[in-house]
Amino acid sequence: GAVVSQHPSWVICKSGTSVKIECRSLDFQATTMFWYRQFPKQSLMLMATSNEGSKATYEQGVEKDKFLINHASLTLSTLTVTSAHPEDSSFYICSASLTGGSYEQYFGPGTRLTVT
Amino acid sequence: GQNIDQPTEMTATEGAIVQINCTYQTSGFNGLFWYQQHAGEAPTFLSYNVLDGLEEKGRFSSFLSRSKGYSYLLLKELQMKDSASYLCAVKDSNYQLIWGAGTKLIIKP
Repeated sequence: GAVVSQHPSWVICKSGTSVKIECRSLDFQATTMFWYRQFPKQSLMLMATSNEGSKATYEQGVEKDKFLINHASLTLSTLTVTSAHPEDSSFYICSASLTGGSYEQYFGPGTRLTVT
Repeated sequence: GQNIDQPTEMTATEGAIVQINCTYQTSGFNGLFWYQQHAGEAPTFLSYNVLDGLEEKGRFSSFLSRSKGYSYLLLKELQMKDSASYLCAVKDSNYQLIWGAGTKLIIKP
């Protein structure tokens, strides 16, 4: 099956700093990549959808200037949490899809962010 | 609005069978997915239904009734490793995935 990697798997940073999370599709070209956030014991919350070479589409309530998404190639998307605060501490998961249509999403292993 | 409903938590016994239900109300329908998520890990794909009926895959089966807006995931011969959250998700008319809150399944010996 398709493999998606994320790096780092966990990160601890100080309040006010920025953190970049990478999401890579290892054995397929991902037309569309998705970024999710999941708080403990809660469901996945879609943050944004990105298509290679175009600007990401953010969900309502997600600040695009705080959560910068770059999808520069068909195998790499990055999420940068800028000026992180403790309330940004969460489990961030990316997924990739072969197309934006009926195919399943393949999830990365997730990145646990802790802001102190 | 769009809504996916599934029970919050279920408990079952090792070796038994459990059925996790999911009802949905979405703007359009382009398929229903079931994912398994172990604590602290990302979801993994279990099944995809786009036509009515039962899809069987080993110990897991998934059923869909589009007219009723209803699906279930059936897990047979339960094993301790099946303890996880099971997420139901529907693709709407814009091919956007709408996620349920997940059902936490607890397996007891």
